[in-house]
Amino acid sequence: EPEVTQTPSHQVTQMGQEVILRCVPISNHLYFYWYRQILGQKVEFLVSFYNNEISEKSEIFDDQFSVERPDGSNFTLKIRSTKLEDSAMYFCASSQGGGNIQYFGAGTRLSVL
Amino acid sequence: GESVGLHLPTLSVQEGDNSIINCAYSNSASDYFIWYKQESGKGPQFIIDIRSNMDKRQGQRVTVLLNKTVKHLSLQIAATQPGDSAVYFCLGGKLIFGQGTELSVKP
Repeated sequence: EPEVTQTPSHQVTQMGQEVILRCVPISNHLYFYWYRQILGQKVEFLVSFYNNEISEKSEIFDDQFSVERPDGSNFTLKIRSTKLEDSAMYFCASSQGGGNIQYFGAGTRLSVL
Repeated sequence: GESVGLHLPTLSVQEGDNSIINCAYSNSASDYFIWYKQESGKGPQFIIDIRSNMDKRQGQRVTVLLNKTVKHLSLQIAATQPGDSAVYFCLGGKLIFGQGTELSVKP
């Protein structure tokens, strides 16, 4: 069964460093998403991406964040200068259409020290 | 705006019993509802969805009921197993996750 894959599973970084979280969405999906979940809290929407551009973003997705689809298979989330409060699980998701069911990856745990 | 929320933060059932997780919504504009589960340390996993023009939909061991009159939907899990232990979310078409209902299955 096709699935969304995320790498790495755990990323440890120093405050102020840049990190790139990687995702490979399901191959025939056209919409891509990033969510985050701070430990013990709700899953929060960050951004959606379609046709090589951001279609929607939340207030959390500020100038420190960016997304990119560098090739036909990868979808990345970059945090330019990490802060302690960026520590969270980051989930990538993809869907065939904008209103379709989203399929989530297993997540990347980001720890900012 | 759309608001969909679960009734109980936790639910404990005995293995083999049926589970019912209830949810209410406040905006009729959503044309479909989706149930996800999240096991500890994993990403949300799609369970089943239902369109607003339906009253009932069945999957493997799961049934979702939609009552548009009282703006209520429920997820029923038959013969609950330890592997069903997770946090369950009901969502409208716009995936806004709440706190969910944590289902614990006692052996």
